[in-house]
Amino acid sequence: QVQLVESGGGVVQPGRSLRLSCGVSGFPLSSYSMHWVRQTPGEGLEWVAVISFDGSAKHYADSVKGRFTISRDNSKNTLELQMNSLRPEDTAVYYCARDLEKGIDYYLDYWGQGTLVTVSS
Amino acid sequence: DIQMTQSPSSVSASVGDRVTITCRASQPIGSWLAWYQQKPGKAPKLLIYGASTLQSGVPSRFSGSESETDFTLTISSLQPEDFATYYCQQAHSLPATFGQGTKVEIK
Repeated sequence: QVQLVESGGGVVQPGRSLRLSCGVSGFPLSSYSMHWVRQTPGEGLEWVAVISFDGSAKHYADSVKGRFTISRDNSKNTLELQMNSLRPEDTAVYYCARDLEKGIDYYLDYWGQGTLVTVSS
Repeated sequence: DIQMTQSPSSVSASVGDRVTITCRASQPIGSWLAWYQQKPGKAPKLLIYGASTLQSGVPSRFSGSESETDFTLTISSLQPEDFATYYCQQAHSLPATFGQGTKVEIK
């Protein structure tokens, strides 16, 4: 069955970096665009970034543009999110999610269980 | 960014009730809308996409409709497993944006 498992979350000081990973199984990663979405109690769900099935296209929310980088390794069935210059407002549960289609249509049909990132001194 | 406004923010209902949740987009988005269900401590689950297409495996008591920039999620007969928070999301323009959620609680 389709599974997405995030890892790499934790507590980090403002200004530092963290790298999240998402391991997938049960489907060919190379056939789907993939997303990161985050959730905070106060702000709800916020889309963060997307990468096309082959990595040729990447898009980011303005709130993370220039600080976060999404990448993928289809041969290793992994998706990653490199987060630099972290801010307290980046504190959230981060989900990786699969796009419904090979192209990017922003419908998210499978999600991981989430990994908590806390940015605090 | 396109703003998605859900109403109500919460609703109390009983098993067997018909429940309707509304989502309004701040500008036209065609049919580029999805509905998700989220239970505490779990990830969101896709229920409906394209405003009215039921995702595979989702019970037929869930339905979606649209009228210009207004979208509706209807649960025809609420079941115990349906008590959760529901979110709409527009997929028309970057960035994808979500509504603030509607919590369906037990009456």
